[in-house]
Amino acid sequence: QVQLQESGPGLVKPSETLSLTCFVSGDSINNYYWNWIRQPPGKGLEWIGYIYYSGTTNYNPSLKSRVSISLDTSKNQFSLRLSSVTASDAAIYYCAASQVPDYYDRLHFHSWGPGTLATVSS
Amino acid sequence: QSMLTQPPSVSGAPGQRVTISCTGSSSNIGAGYNVHWYQQLPGTAPKLLIYNTNNRPSGVPGRFSGSKSGSSASLAVSGLQPEDEADYFCQAYDSTLSGSWVFGGGTKLTVL
Repeated sequence: QVQLQESGPGLVKPSETLSLTCFVSGDSINNYYWNWIRQPPGKGLEWIGYIYYSGTTNYNPSLKSRVSISLDTSKNQFSLRLSSVTASDAAIYYCAASQVPDYYDRLHFHSWGPGTLATVSS
Repeated sequence: QSMLTQPPSVSGAPGQRVTISCTGSSSNIGAGYNVHWYQQLPGTAPKLLIYNTNNRPSGVPGRFSGSKSGSSASLAVSGLQPEDEADYFCQAYDSTLSGSWVFGGGTKLTVL
């Protein structure tokens, strides 16, 4: 079973860029879609985007202008960059794996990291 | 405002059966798309509970089941146990704009 672990600075200043990394172990990084999902404290979940080893990415339309997800296969990790952050970007950020679906609607998140809290404050 | 609507809370006594609804629209559940469900215990990451509307991953008890009708889906929990007290989220593909994957706002299940 694939295992994931997020890392990154817990505090980001308003208008700056949030950068997080997810380390993958237990299986090949070529076998899955790699996702970022966030959850403001006490609130619901929001899918941010995914990347596939081929370099294909897909982002939430509401965040697309500020998001970039990249993959480093040599290090078995993938990363999130979210620019121009505001207080509304404060959340627990999860990385999660999805089996490559044959149809879009079958995409689901079967393995999750424990999450990392990102706070936005000057 | 989530594209998938869930009741904020449901409750039941041990041993009872409860259902959690997830209401969508013609761009997601109503389009015939699959629904997936997650359980989130306090202070932990979500865990996949049901995938492709009515399938359970290995290790998930048979007490959990999923169904769908029209633009709504349901998660049923039978034989409620204290350890079932958690937040539950539904998830589906939405074809609005360029398409994305959306979640419900979550339902807190309390075991009385």
